[in-house]
Amino acid sequence: DAKTTQPTSMDCAEGRAANLPCNHSTISGNEYVYWYRQIHSQGPQYIIHGLKNNETNEMASLIITEDRKSSTLILPHATLRDTAVYYCIVRLPLDSWGKLQFGAGTQVVVTP
Amino acid sequence: GAVVSQHPSRVICKSGTSVKIECRSLDFQATTMFWYRQFPKQSLMLMATSNEGSKATYEQGVEKDKFLINHASLTLSTLTVTSAHPEDSSFYICSARWQGAAGELFFGEGSRLTVL
Repeated sequence: DAKTTQPTSMDCAEGRAANLPCNHSTISGNEYVYWYRQIHSQGPQYIIHGLKNNETNEMASLIITEDRKSSTLILPHATLRDTAVYYCIVRLPLDSWGKLQFGAGTQVVVTP
Repeated sequence: GAVVSQHPSRVICKSGTSVKIECRSLDFQATTMFWYRQFPKQSLMLMATSNEGSKATYEQGVEKDKFLINHASLTLSTLTVTSAHPEDSSFYICSARWQGAAGELFFGEGSRLTVL
């Protein structure tokens, strides 16, 4: 699976949008971009994933650049409960050998 | 969404004893489950992949005789830490692959093991 690069940490003000970048310049054509987050002492939580097109769900939006070498996770209105480590992962489709390997992630701290 | 449950959430044991952690998919069948370990302030490290009815596949550097994995049914996988030592103290997390449209992985709440 392609490796990803994320900032180590980010601060965000409550109520504002949080934009989390991820670089994945070695992504291959059939690899998806996945985002998970882990609140302290809990298991990771799936947020969103995409291949080429931008995606949106009730939690977040995922913007993937046209060349697919980077992406941005957007939390539209950050709350204190969004404080967590956010992991960007690129991986093969789930009908293949779909192991999920985690990098260091971005520690996001939402402040009042 | 799919729910994965782990038990126990916390366990304390004496050095040299064995500890079993259960991972259950509550509302779906999971042919594949994954076990991770996480040390404080570190990321999750994949330990092994568990396929129902077959032997687990371990990642490089993970001792298969120490971390016994059994996936006897489509809803249950167990991880047994044998002859536990203090350095085995960690946060153990399982995940199960949902066969739904997105096929994403769902994670349990984690089990914190402390070996005295």
